Amino acid sequence: DVQLVESGGGLVQPGGSLKLSCAASGFTFSDSAIHWVRQAPGKGLEWVGRIRTKPNNYATAYGVSVRGRFTLSRDDSDNTAYLQLNSLEPEDTAVYHCVRHVEMSDLPRIWGQGTMVTVSS
Amino acid sequence: IVMTQSPLSLPVTPGEPASISCRSSQSLLLSNGNNYLDWFLQKPGQSPQLLIYLGSIRASGVPDRFSGSGSGTDFTLRISRVEAEDVGLYYCMSASRTIWTFGQGTKVEIK
Repeated sequence: DVQLVESGGGLVQPGGSLKLSCAASGFTFSDSAIHWVRQAPGKGLEWVGRIRTKPNNYATAYGVSVRGRFTLSRDDSDNTAYLQLNSLEPEDTAVYHCVRHVEMSDLPRIWGQGTMVTVSS
Repeated sequence: IVMTQSPLSLPVTPGEPASISCRSSQSLLLSNGNNYLDWFLQKPGQSPQLLIYLGSIRASGVPDRFSGSGSGTDFTLRISRVEAEDVGLYYCMSASRTIWTFGQGTKVEIK
């Protein structure tokens, strides 16, 4: 089965840090860009960022609201992508999903179930 | 790219058809002939469930009462005969650019 499983969420104080993981299985991870999308409670969906593949130099891009605070990385040998969250704010409280995207292909995007991050004192 | 869905609320009668429109501010059609436009359903307390990708391809396991159409900037999701289990929030999403953008969501509920 093609699957993405996020982990690492939890409760953190404002200004704190957290590192989320996205473990992939059932497909060639190294051929896939990984995007992160979040959804705050009762709100819509927001694109957080993406990391491309090795042939594309693992290029990263970030949404305006997280740029400079969040960092994407990946370990193709371990089929895992990471999202480092720093300087967290209450507005970062959300469910964070990772999504597989094979660029310029006919393949569907695959979503993980998400991991909840709560920023509160 | 700005994605605009309509309507934002859609009361439906079981057994009747329903449709949702999604318009993008820029064309989603890429040089490979694909429109990177997805439709998905989010039921209360659940993660988004992919229904349609590339504008018109049903995802695995999705009932054939769901269909997608459109190209460029105008897309439509149709449900041929609504069932009670179809209630929830429907989103369209553009994946044609680096930055993905989402429609506001259409709340489908039973009359």
